[in-house]
Amino acid sequence: LAKTTQPISMDSYEGQEVNITCSHNNIATNDYITWYQQFPSQGPRFIIQGYKTKVTNEVASLFIPADRKSSTLSLPRVSLSDTAVYYCLVGHSSNTGKLIFGQGTTLQVKP
Amino acid sequence: EPEVTQTPSHQVTQMGQEVILRCVPISNHLYFYWYRQILGQKVEFLVSFYNNEISEKSEIFDDQFSVERPDGSNFTLKIRSTKLEDSAMYFCASMGGVNSPLHFGNGTRLTVT
Repeated sequence: LAKTTQPISMDSYEGQEVNITCSHNNIATNDYITWYQQFPSQGPRFIIQGYKTKVTNEVASLFIPADRKSSTLSLPRVSLSDTAVYYCLVGHSSNTGKLIFGQGTTLQVKP
Repeated sequence: EPEVTQTPSHQVTQMGQEVILRCVPISNHLYFYWYRQILGQKVEFLVSFYNNEISEKSEIFDDQFSVERPDGSNFTLKIRSTKLEDSAMYFCASMGGVNSPLHFGNGTRLTVT
């Protein structure tokens, strides 16, 4: 099962672009990379998922290099409401049974 | 948009009592999970369930814990004899298929006194 490593915390200011990188050196060939956002006292919420290159949706972009050993979640022009914990999760295809979250990155957006 | 629902939102119980946490996953989903989160800590995997049986479980999920899908809609987590350290948020999640994202409920806050 691919282990993930992310920075524990990051600070940003409103209106800035935020990039959070996750390392997953032993990702399996068929594994997808999924990012979740969690607010206090709520369950994690799906943000974006990708396999390779770049994926974009209405809230974020996900950049995955060719070797797929890392991924970067990009949040454009963050606001105070983007203050949350962000988790990357790898390993859906190799083991749907044991999907384990890492420590996550606590993003603090300041005014 | 369909969602995972959990009841109750808050449960207070005394040490040694049994509790049952209930979840209604998204209706066409196939994979079901329970996670817990102690205040200020990360989300911890407890157990996964597929095809009417447990797929994987963590070291936390000892014989005090059990899961059941008693009918086509509910997915329950039972703790037989609660301990103070079981106090946490418990999240249920479901997944439609391989490589699909997890969909989480809003959790049950369990307080053991």
